[in-house]
Amino acid sequence: DAKTTQPTSMDCAEGRAANLPCNHSTISGNEYVYWYRQIHSQGPQYIIHGLKNNETNEMASLIITEDRKSSTLILPHATLRDTAVYYCIVGGRSQGNLIFGKGTKLSVKP
Amino acid sequence: NAGVMQNPRHLVRRRGQEARLRCSPMKGHSHVYWYRQLPEEGLKFMVYLQKENIIDESGMPKERFSAEFPKEGPSILRIQQVVRGDSAAYFCASSPASTNEKLFFGSGTQLSVL
Repeated sequence: DAKTTQPTSMDCAEGRAANLPCNHSTISGNEYVYWYRQIHSQGPQYIIHGLKNNETNEMASLIITEDRKSSTLILPHATLRDTAVYYCIVGGRSQGNLIFGKGTKLSVKP
Repeated sequence: NAGVMQNPRHLVRRRGQEARLRCSPMKGHSHVYWYRQLPEEGLKFMVYLQKENIIDESGMPKERFSAEFPKEGPSILRIQQVVRGDSAAYFCASSPASTNEKLFFGSGTQLSVL
């Protein structure tokens, strides 16, 4: 079973920031938070990951709370092409066996 | 700079037939992972292979399913005597090392069992 809890769905207006929350209250000290997304009928795409510090890359920002029990993925300027299912995953550094839950279906609307 | 290539994109089999799914990892990647996605479900890990070795097959059904990643050629996921419940999207991912970071996924093979 997934170790994370995410809302089933969210809407976001095009051009606005999309903030996707994730709860992972049972995360252990050596586990990372990974975010992937899956656009309809395609394979998942890596977005970002972090351990305890906030992270930013060209796609998104990841904000992890100080107690590490929750995090938020931020897409700063959502576009229609960001419509996808977003998966928040907790796991070790080098396992390869990611546990995908049901994710959050983000719909970006014009 | 081709990504992870999976073929066929769609595969139709009748119950009892064999299904072979192929995955060519990205150039330079020697680690391959197979996942299965049932309709309206998240992806489920099946197996992790390095060249000529199965590293973790904890998600693989005990019967009818097998995987290989030979020294030369693509990784193969083989399903014998398929049943309707095997109908799913099968995704392959690759990485240059054992990692959860930046797994590169292919576009998947949609298996339909009639």
